[in-house]
Amino acid sequence: DADVTQTPRNRITKTGKRIMLECSQTKGHDRMYWYRQDPGLGLRLIYYSFDVKDINKGEISDGYSVSRQAQAKFSLSLESAIPNQTALYFCATSDKSPGLGGETQYFGPGTRLLVL
Amino acid sequence: DQQVKQNSPSLSVQEGRISILNCDYTNSMFDYFLWYKKYPAEGPTFLISISSIKDKNEDGRFTVFLNKSAKHLSLHIVPSQPGDSAVYFCAAKPSGSRLTFGEGTQLTVNP
Repeated sequence: DADVTQTPRNRITKTGKRIMLECSQTKGHDRMYWYRQDPGLGLRLIYYSFDVKDINKGEISDGYSVSRQAQAKFSLSLESAIPNQTALYFCATSDKSPGLGGETQYFGPGTRLLVL
Repeated sequence: DQQVKQNSPSLSVQEGRISILNCDYTNSMFDYFLWYKKYPAEGPTFLISISSIKDKNEDGRFTVFLNKSAKHLSLHIVPSQPGDSAVYFCAAKPSGSRLTFGEGTQLTVNP
């Protein structure tokens, strides 16, 4: 079974609709992240959470909101979807930094979103 | 402001030869660097990392080199195999902060 799961895997929606992308993890990690991938732009951070009571904006948070319902669950919402939010969305998790160096992030399989 | 840059969108290599993927960064506070590999329809997976106190880290066929003075990172794959064909992302972070990813390089290894 996958350690980081995302639902749905594919979604088509219309401009102005509210949608939610969900992420669950069984790795027991405290830290969770939402990224979007666009061609030629790599992965850009939308929001991240270091524990259940912690929510932080990333590089491109405008138009998005998140909810950390539990240690294992982190949802991304588009309150009113627009076409330039068409992208591939990834959830990731990590444990606390082990000290010298940094933590490794583990990614879900992605959600492909098309906003018409 | 692209703090992590992969200038080559694509790279094609013959099976058995060396693949060299490059990455440049601008933030001198970055002290931890990673490479991720991504196959189509899958999420990125961690490949190899290096901290700023080292200039080389090796794991099997994969070696990452760090040149701090040039703010340059490279990933060497030798020998390259067709199964290595994927998009490779480099990423970097300062201590206690979040990762910044590059744009990715599509590697194609031809049989």
